[in-house]
Amino acid sequence: AQSVTQLGSHVSVSEGALVLLRCNYSSSVPPYLFWYVQYPNQGLQLLLKYTSAATLVKGINGFEAEFKKSETSFHLTKPSAHMSDAAEYFCAVSDSGYNKLIFGAGTRLAVHP
Amino acid sequence: IAGITQAPTSQILAAGRRMTLRCTQDMRHNAMYWYRQDLGLGLRLIHYSNTAGTTGKGEVPDGYSVSRANTDDFPLTLASAVPSQTSVYFCASSVRAGTASTEAFFGQGTRLTVV
Repeated sequence: AQSVTQLGSHVSVSEGALVLLRCNYSSSVPPYLFWYVQYPNQGLQLLLKYTSAATLVKGINGFEAEFKKSETSFHLTKPSAHMSDAAEYFCAVSDSGYNKLIFGAGTRLAVHP
Repeated sequence: IAGITQAPTSQILAAGRRMTLRCTQDMRHNAMYWYRQDLGLGLRLIHYSNTAGTTGKGEVPDGYSVSRANTDDFPLTLASAVPSQTSVYFCASSVRAGTASTEAFFGQGTRLTVV
């Protein structure tokens, strides 16, 4: 069965600092990986997705993620944090059978001045 | 704006009562899903449907049922609510199942409190 582990339930950075949110996956077949963002009292919005075309994936709002098969990782980064990036971020892996998405527990990002 | 509509947005429900959460999408997506979101647990799949007329169980199906009579609607029913079903429920859809690269689109959620 596929699974996702997000390291760190809370991450706090200063405005302008590097953002790094960690995600490791477990999959017996080539995975499809996603990062979603959730702002307070809203649904989830897709940030970016990995579908085997390129290992470095660029998403919206300046975020990017790199797929590393040897490390089974798909960490999310952004060079310079903005106050508006404060939200909860979820990593997800798709199931090869029925396109189900399996989510990690989430990482809440706080950005302080 | 096209997308997924969930109703109600929030509800307080007495334990033992029956409740149906509604979900409608106008994107003509084949696949639809129900997730529950709980603090520290992320989103867990309750039930899914790959196409109209078919449904399947997710990670946490007990106490819930779904139906998919047509492409657009995917209601979630709690037959007899219990406090452990207090959660935020999200409906989602994707273009089609079986092609795992397709991302899911989410509704705004229903906050349910069972007392």
